[in-house]
Order: sequence, then structure tokens, then C-alpha cells
Amino acid sequence: AQSVTQLGSHVSVSEGALVLLRCNYSSSVPPYLFWYVQYPNQGLQLLLKYTTGATLVKGINGFEAEFKKSETSFHLTKPSAHMSDAAEYFCAVSANTDKLIFGTGTRLQVFP
Amino acid sequence: GAGVSQSPSNKVTEKGKDVELRCDPISGHTALYWYRQSLGQGLEFLIYFQGNSAPDKSGLPSDRFSAERTGGSVSTLTIQRTQQEDSAVYLCASSLSSGRVNEQFFGPGTRLTVL
Repeated sequence: AQSVTQLGSHVSVSEGALVLLRCNYSSSVPPYLFWYVQYPNQGLQLLLKYTTGATLVKGINGFEAEFKKSETSFHLTKPSAHMSDAAEYFCAVSANTDKLIFGTGTRLQVFP
Repeated sequence: GAGVSQSPSNKVTEKGKDVELRCDPISGHTALYWYRQSLGQGLEFLIYFQGNSAPDKSGLPSDRFSAERTGGSVSTLTIQRTQQEDSAVYLCASSLSSGRVNEQFFGPGTRLTVL
């Protein structure tokens, strides 16, 4: 079975500081991994995804994530936080099926 | 182009009533997914359609939940005899076709409150 663990339900950073949102996964087959962002009262928007190939994946809005098989991790980073990054972030895994298995989400707050 | 749309955006109902939630996928997308987002359970997969058939219904929580898709387009999720634990945001997503390589595009959701 597949699962995703997101460490930290809430993360707070100052504007301009590094953003690091943690995600660990469990999968019996090579996974596809995703990060989605959800702004208030909106649906989920794909930030980036890893399928195969290069393990460092760049996404929209300056975010990137690195797939580390040995650590079963797919942490999301952004070098410099912006106020507009405040939202909820979900990590998800897709193994050998079409459905996405989501983590419980991390709410990011950005302080001026 | 237009994204995934869902209606109604909010639905308040009384315990025991039936509700229908509608999803209009992006035109041309053959795969359609339903997820539920609730405080206690996070984001859970419910069911997915490829065309009009549902190869995976494994996430439907009980036989009170059903879904159909007609014409390879609009989908309706029906909850019969609603219970308070059904209160959640129901999200619909569509993708160009089935297969995990295809991005799922999400709608804004329907917030269901069961009193």
C-alpha cells in the first residue's frame, strides 16, 4: 500500500526566508510524486511532479523538490518566501494506480 | 479555457436527506476523479471514471454513496440518507486520460454541511 506523511501541520516563516515543507512516502513500486497547493476556498493546483529521470524537479512560483529514494522523501523548498505563498500544501503519491494518495497537508504562514 | 466546475458550491442539508453533487470536467478530458476533504480524514480518493465506466470505486465509504458519469462528460455524486460524518468538501478532478502521468486538474469543490 502507498502512504504519505507530511511532517508539521503548520509551518511559519518570515518573508524572504527559506521555505521547507517535508514529505515522506511509502510505496512498493517506483512512485510518481506530486506537490499541490490550495489557496482558501479554491481547488488544488499542481506545483510540481516527479515521474522518472532527474530527481530535482522545478515547479511554478519558484518552488522545487528533490526525490531521494534512499530517504523515501520528496521535500518541497523555496529559497525566499513571499506573502503570496501562504496556503496549504499537499504532497501526494501515485503508485501503480491512477488515484492520488495525499498527505494530511501543511499550512504555510508567511510573516512580514 | 474553462476549468473544472462543480455545483453547488455550498450545500446545507438535513440528516437523512439525499444530495447530488455535480462535476463538469474540462472539455476533452476522459478521466474524472472524486475526492473528499474532511477535517478528520484529510484528502481521500472516492472513485474515478475512464469514460463512463468506473474502474476503481474502492474509496466510496459506504453503499449510501454512488456516482455516475454520462456521455463521457458530466458526473454526479449522490449521497443517500446523509449523515453528519458526510460533512466535507467534495472535490472533483479531471485529466486528459487515465494514467498517473497525466495531471489531474481540480475544481473548487462543493462544501457539504449535514445538520
